[in-house]
Amino acid sequence: GQQLNQSPQSMFIQEGEDVSMNCTSSSIFNTWLWYKQDPGEGPVLLIALYKAGELTSNGRLTAQFGITRKDSFLNISASIPSDVGIYFCAGPQPGNQFYFGTGTSLTVIP
Amino acid sequence: SQTIHQWPATLVQPVGSPLSLECTVEGTSNPNLYWYRQAAGRGLQLLFYSVGIGQISSEVPQNLSASRPQDRQFILSSKKLLLSDSGFYLCAWSAWGAESFFGQGTRLTVV
Repeated sequence: GQQLNQSPQSMFIQEGEDVSMNCTSSSIFNTWLWYKQDPGEGPVLLIALYKAGELTSNGRLTAQFGITRKDSFLNISASIPSDVGIYFCAGPQPGNQFYFGTGTSLTVIP
Repeated sequence: SQTIHQWPATLVQPVGSPLSLECTVEGTSNPNLYWYRQAAGRGLQLLFYSVGIGQISSEVPQNLSASRPQDRQFILSSKKLLLSDSGFYLCAWSAWGAESFFGQGTRLTVV
């Protein structure tokens, strides 16, 4: 299946710091999505991106659709303890497969 | 509004026993449906997806199978579970080319 690589794999940051993570693919995506997963729960959609170069915000979260359509970035400003979780990028493929990235685990230290 | 239900939430099964996990979606028609497996602390591995009744595509050859007997019902099965089948199983739905939405997941432990 499709491989979406996320980096970093894990992050340990102090509360109040900004966070940046990215996702890369060997294939072009027409849609990029970012999800957050809390322990023992299903992932929840945070931001959806539909056009190359698009920059979209949702509160303290900002995501960008890379101009090559093979990457995307997620930034979290002024992190808080409830930002803890695993963040996944994802994208649908023309064959209706829906692939997820390898995940970035975020720990926020109060 | 659309909702997705997945059950059971947790399951402990002996090696060699059968498995049946069910997922249903409400509030939408002809959704794309997906089964994922997630090992502890790892990413989501796409197992099966379906674009319509009776249409199943398998991503990874394994000890599992999927069926879609009704438009909004997706079932994950196994005839004989292996220890390696343990994990967190997630069902999801999406409209065509749009974002997907997840159920709450089933924690399967094979002992």
